[in-house]
Amino acid sequence: DADVTQTPRNRITKTGKRIMLECSQTKGHDRMYWYRQDPGLGLRLIYYSFDVKDINKGEISDGYSVSRQAQAKFSLSLESAIPNQTALYFCATSGEDPSTDTQYFGPGTRLTVL
Amino acid sequence: DQQVKQNSPSLSVQEGRISILNCDYTNSMFDYFLWYKKYPAEGPTFLISISSIKDKNEDGRFTVFLNKSAKHLSLHIVPSQPGDSAVYFCAVRDDKIIFGKGTRLHILP
Repeated sequence: DADVTQTPRNRITKTGKRIMLECSQTKGHDRMYWYRQDPGLGLRLIYYSFDVKDINKGEISDGYSVSRQAQAKFSLSLESAIPNQTALYFCATSGEDPSTDTQYFGPGTRLTVL
Repeated sequence: DQQVKQNSPSLSVQEGRISILNCDYTNSMFDYFLWYKKYPAEGPTFLISISSIKDKNEDGRFTVFLNKSAKHLSLHIVPSQPGDSAVYFCAVRDDKIIFGKGTRLHILP
């Protein structure tokens, strides 16, 4: 079984709709992250959480919100989707020690906003 | 401003030759550097890392070199194999990981 799972894997929606992307992990990590990938722009951090009570904005948080429901669950919401939020979205987890823990990524969610 | 720069969007290398992927960073306080590899339809996977107290780290065919004075790191893959065709992301770890835009590596038969 995968350590980091994302649902749904693909989603097509319309402008103005509310969308939730879900992420679950079995790594036992406290730290979780949401990224989006766009062609030519690499991976950009949307939000991150270092534990259940901690939520931090990343580089491009406008138009997004998150919820850390439990250590293992971190969901990303688009309150009112717009076409330029069409992208690949990745969830990731990591431990605290950078010398021994790296980020583990989920398989991604491809979101299309029409 | 980008804190991590990968100035080559793509690179083509003959199978069996050396692939060299480059990365520059802006903040001399960064102390941990990573390379990730990404295949289509998959999430990125960790490849190799290096701490700022070292200037080289080797793992099989993969070697990362760090030049702190130039704020530059590079990933060497030798010999290059067809399965190495992927997008490679350079990243730095502060309290979070900051990624470059990636370099798409094509290994030619």
